Order: sequence, then structure tokens, then C-alpha cells
Amino acid sequence: AQSVTQLDSQVPVFEEAPVELRCNYSSSVSVYLFWYVQYPNQGLQLLLKYLSGSTLVKGINGFEAEFNKSQTSFHLRKPSVHISDTAEYFCAVNIIQGAQKLVFGQGTRLTINP
Amino acid sequence: DTEVTQTPKHLVMGMTNKKSLKCEQHMGHRAMYWYKQKAKKPPELMFVYSYEKLSINESVPSRFSPECPNSSLLNLHLHALQPEDSALYLCASSQGVGRSLTQYFGPGTRLLVL
Repeated sequence: AQSVTQLDSQVPVFEEAPVELRCNYSSSVSVYLFWYVQYPNQGLQLLLKYLSGSTLVKGINGFEAEFNKSQTSFHLRKPSVHISDTAEYFCAVNIIQGAQKLVFGQGTRLTINP
Repeated sequence: DTEVTQTPKHLVMGMTNKKSLKCEQHMGHRAMYWYKQKAKKPPELMFVYSYEKLSINESVPSRFSPECPNSSLLNLHLHALQPEDSALYLCASSQGVGRSLTQYFGPGTRLLVL
């Protein structure tokens, strides 16, 4: 069965510092991977996705992620964070079962300190 | 335009009430979804509609009744809910069930059952 593990439930960083949010997946078939962000009291917004092709994926708001098949990882990175990046971040894998089904990791709470 | 709208934003209901949540998209998407999200947890899939037909029901109790009257509209009818059903209810849509499978989320309806 496909699953997603986000290794850190909370990540505090200082403003303008780099950050990496870790995500590992398990799957016996080809995967489609996503990172979503949820700001307080809002819905989920797509940051970036990996479907195929280049393993380095660039997304919105300066985020990028690298798909690593051998390590079954899809870590999210940003070289310099802002206060406005404070949010919950979810990694998700798309299971194709006739109709698509997103399975989410438990989420990582990113807190940016001034 | 990648907007999914949901009404109402907030809803308070008693255990004997009947209410409905509404979700709308005008992106021409043919798959629509209901998720339930408890505090500090990832979204959990409830239902998937594909081409206006229910394709996935994740063993949701019958007090939740989905309806897809047309390709742009998705409703969730609520009846005899329990306090543990209090949560953020998210709607999402996607182009279909093929490879290009980004789900676009609405802002959610925050439901409180008293």
C-alpha cells in the first residue's frame, strides 16, 4: 500500500534562514507526488508537484522539491524563508484507483521566527 | 482561474438539524471531492465524484449524504450529526481521473456540532 511519512511534525526556523521539510513515500508503483500548504484558517494550496521528468521541481513562493527514487523521498526546500511562510505543509501521494485518491502525510508545522 | 468556492464559511448546528454544504467550481473539472479535516490532522477523503457519479465512498456514515447535481456543483447534506463530526470540510476538484491530477481545494466550511 502507498503511504507518506513526514518526518518532522514541527520545524522552527529564523527568518531568512534555509529550510527543508522532509517527506518519504512508499509505493510499489509509479508515484505522483505533491506538496500542499495550508495557511491558518484556509484551505490547501498547491505548492508543487512531481509527475515525471526532471527530478527537481520548482513551485510557487520560491519553494522547490527533489524527487529521489532510490531514497523514496520528496523533500521540500526553500533557501530563505519569510514570516509569511508560517503554515502547515502537507506532502501527498496520488493513488490511481479508478478515481484518483490523494493520501496525505501527517503534516509539518513550519514556524518562522523573526 | 483555479477557484473552488464553498458556502457557508462557518456552520453551527444541533444534533437534530439538517443542513447542507455547497461547493462550486467553474474550471470545467469533472472530478470533485469531499474531505474532512480535524484540527492538527491531514485531510481525510470522504467521497469522490467522477463525471457526476459517485466513484468512491470511504465508508462514511450515512448521516453524510453527498450529491452532485451537475458538473460544477457538489453538495454535502448533513443530518443527525454527532459532536465528533465537528471539523473543517474541504471540497476539491480536478480535471478528471487521468494523469494530470492536481486537486484544487476550496477554503472549507468550519462545522461545529453542538
